[in-house]
Amino acid sequence: KNEVEQSPQNLTAQEGEFITINCSYSVGISALHWLQQHPGGGIVSLFMLSSGKKKHGRLIATINIQEKHSSLHITASHPRDSAVYICAVRGSQGNLIFGKGTKLSVKP
Amino acid sequence: SQTIHQWPATLVQPVGSPLSLECTVEGTSNPNLYWYRQAAGRGLQLLFYSIGIGQISSEVPQNLSASRPQDRQFILSSKKLLLSDSGFYLCACHFPNTEAFFGQGTRLTVV
Repeated sequence: KNEVEQSPQNLTAQEGEFITINCSYSVGISALHWLQQHPGGGIVSLFMLSSGKKKHGRLIATINIQEKHSSLHITASHPRDSAVYICAVRGSQGNLIFGKGTKLSVKP
Repeated sequence: SQTIHQWPATLVQPVGSPLSLECTVEGTSNPNLYWYRQAAGRGLQLLFYSIGIGQISSEVPQNLSASRPQDRQFILSSKKLLLSDSGFYLCACHFPNTEAFFGQGTRLTVV
């Protein structure tokens, strides 16, 4: 069993829809990251969470430490949101342990 | 803020040839640096990490090595590439409990 599981693996949405991507992890963590990977491969950090909820523009990330679960929400989705979204948690060496990613495609 | 420069962006190399990928960091000193690899259909996995000059730790045995000759330079190398070395290689910089910063990545195809 992978230490970080994401669902769904693939997601297609119509422009304007509300989107939720889920992440469950099986290890104790100090922080959880949500990352966005563009088609060319470049990765940018969206959020780093250790508790509660964070919001940035149309993106919202939540984490439940007791349930070892986090969600990334996108409100009023747009085609430019199309990307791979990756959940990652901190490992014992300070490294990141990554989920396999969720490929999001938003259709106009 | 921190910036990570990683090159080249794409690389096609024959089996048995050497490899050198370079990563440099700006905007911070004594960073923790990481090399990750993403094979086809899999998530990113840790290859090497370094907490200082000359200090390299490897997560899994493989056909690759890493070096940190300077504080803000991290190099991934191979003496002889294998087909299985193909993948997406990513350099990252992150301190404990801080944001993570990433290079642009290198897509390596071994033919």
